[in-house]
Amino acid sequence: QTVVTQEPSLTVSPGGTVTLTCASSTGAVTSGYYPNWFQQKPGQAPRTLIYNTSNKHSWTPARFSGSLLGGKAALTLSGVQPEDEAEYYCLLYYGGAQPLFGGGTKLTVL
Amino acid sequence: QVQLQESGPGLVKPSQTLSLTCTVSGGSISTGGYYWTWIRQHPKGLEWIGYIYYSGSTYYNPSLKSRVTISIDTSKNQFSLKLRSVTAADTAVYYCVRAYGSGIDFWGQGTRVMVSS
Repeated sequence: QTVVTQEPSLTVSPGGTVTLTCASSTGAVTSGYYPNWFQQKPGQAPRTLIYNTSNKHSWTPARFSGSLLGGKAALTLSGVQPEDEAEYYCLLYYGGAQPLFGGGTKLTVL
Repeated sequence: QVQLQESGPGLVKPSQTLSLTCTVSGGSISTGGYYWTWIRQHPKGLEWIGYIYYSGSTYYNPSLKSRVTISIDTSKNQFSLKLRSVTAADTAVYYCVRAYGSGIDFWGQGTRVMVSS
């Protein structure tokens, strides 16, 4: 059974930089997995930040960026703001198979 | 901007059928290139249930395939989810979303469904 793994939790100081990663149990994540990143705040629906590895939607703040790093998909927040405290999920597409979400990373801004 | 809104009962009895509808506004559900998708979220995490294309072609999560039907009504700009023979494990927040070849853009606000007698 394929598993997508994220860091369970991370803490960052306001103004700092943090990188969240998304790994696949099948091996290295490539652009062919079309990594997506979502932000979810308590009581709200997820909001898509990044699609297709590094593309931003019109509503995605400039401080969020997506990339591939060391065989994983990565989401980097630069100049973190208090309102960035949230749960972050990645999604990987496995060709004709079932798209899978990671378990989420709880980001604390402290 | 496209908006999606889920509707349906918040409580379903075990062994019965969960039925939800998603109403799309701000855009046509008949526009090609989009996959009208259902996703659910329970304490274990997010799970992709399946999708339907405007033509009616569907994809279902293999683990749910035997119990799921997704349909579309282009005249009403709606698509629907039916999940049969529900158990407590189907208790979750259900989201309808607009997906495309490489991702998701718009999410509904979600609707909480509890399976309980």
